[in-house]
Amino acid sequence: QVQLVESGGGVVQPGRSLRLSCAASGFTFSSYGMHWVRQAPGKGLEWVAFIRYDGSKYYADSVKGRFTISRDNAKNTLYLQMDSLRVEDTALFYCARDRYDYGSGSYCDFWGQGTLVTVSS
Amino acid sequence: DIQMTQSPSSLSASLGDRVTITCRASQGIANYLVWYQQKPGKVPKLLIYAASTLQSGVPSRFSGSGSGTDFTLTITSLQPEDVATYYCQKYNSAPFTFGPGTKVDIK
Repeated sequence: QVQLVESGGGVVQPGRSLRLSCAASGFTFSSYGMHWVRQAPGKGLEWVAFIRYDGSKYYADSVKGRFTISRDNAKNTLYLQMDSLRVEDTALFYCARDRYDYGSGSYCDFWGQGTLVTVSS
Repeated sequence: DIQMTQSPSSLSASLGDRVTITCRASQGIANYLVWYQQKPGKVPKLLIYAASTLQSGVPSRFSGSGSGTDFTLTITSLQPEDVATYYCQKYNSAPFTFGPGTKVDIK
């Protein structure tokens, strides 16, 4: 069965960096695109970034230039490097699998439980 | 970029009521629209994709319709377990923007 387990969240000061990881299992990781989606406390879902199976990357304007999505297919792991963090980046960060293998990007069919990032001085 | 809006932002309805939620895209997205349900403290759950196709295992009281810029999610007979926030999302191309959500509870 598909499993996605995020890690790496924590409390960080504004301006600092943090790297999130998402360990995937139960499917052929290298064949699927992967998303990061976040949810600020009490707020709605915000799409953050997507990496295709071939490594092409896409970002929300709110994080472009600060966040970098990447993947290690040998380790079945998705990453999100977050630099120049702001208070407004405080959120629960979910990794999620794209619905279609070898696709150009669509919606999420499996989600992890999320990892909480708190940006505060 | 295409913006997504939803209405209403929240609603209260009685058990057994028919509930309709609207999602609007600022530009046409054909049928590249999905609906998720998120219960309090839980992970989002996929309900409907391609605007009107029910995800396997989702009760038939849920349905979706629309194409282009205007979409609806309908619950034909509201049940206690449907208390949740519902989000639409476009997926024709990046950015894969979510709507702001509609919170549904029981009157």
